[in-house]
Amino acid sequence: GAGVSQSPRYKVAKRGQDVALRCDPISGHVSLFWYQQALGQGPEFLTYFQNEAQLDKSGLPSDRFFAERPEGSVSTLKIQRTQQEDSAVYLCASSLNKNTEAFFGQGTRLTVV
Amino acid sequence: QQQVKQSPQSLIVQKGGIPIINCAYENTAFDYFPWYQQFPGKGPALLIAIRPDVSEKKEGRFTISFNKSAKQFSLHIMDSQPGDSATYFCAASSSGGYNKLIFGAGTRLAVHP
Repeated sequence: GAGVSQSPRYKVAKRGQDVALRCDPISGHVSLFWYQQALGQGPEFLTYFQNEAQLDKSGLPSDRFFAERPEGSVSTLKIQRTQQEDSAVYLCASSLNKNTEAFFGQGTRLTVV
Repeated sequence: QQQVKQSPQSLIVQKGGIPIINCAYENTAFDYFPWYQQFPGKGPALLIAIRPDVSEKKEGRFTISFNKSAKQFSLHIMDSQPGDSATYFCAASSSGGYNKLIFGAGTRLAVHP
């Protein structure tokens, strides 16, 4: 596609529910990032993939957060047993390789009620 | 040492004015400093970026000034327009690894007609 596509755009989850957020990066982009953006704040790094390898997951806030990119293209961020503090916009970004410009998707706004 | 501090939090200017947004960093390993523009409901989009080998970079109405010794950089928007009203984020990363961006907290800019 022309850009990074994320789905769903909006997700409302009841506390304790599991959610899965999808990211379709730009075709051919090797690097993929997930960021979390709390209301009124800058994005914060969650995790990084180079192709299918998850090379950095240092930003994942707890073991309830899990990300995968099994075939080196589409990525899924999964949050288990959602909590209210997980409410945020989750942004996906991709880049052609590890040190080129990162292009962001529109994000998924997760609200945990 | 990973923080990027951004100011001001919000800024209001009249059309044609020159808003200036400032950022400071601590980590001397940072060598890539991009600025992102974000409209409500959209993902951040790269505006302009600079590396420490130059002190200034211009692209259209946007200019980055960089002071390596002070570990500070700033964004100037010349002849600002109402369409420039958005949230602006500075960021920093180190090319030694991959493009893991550390973002400032953002500046909400309003340009009044």
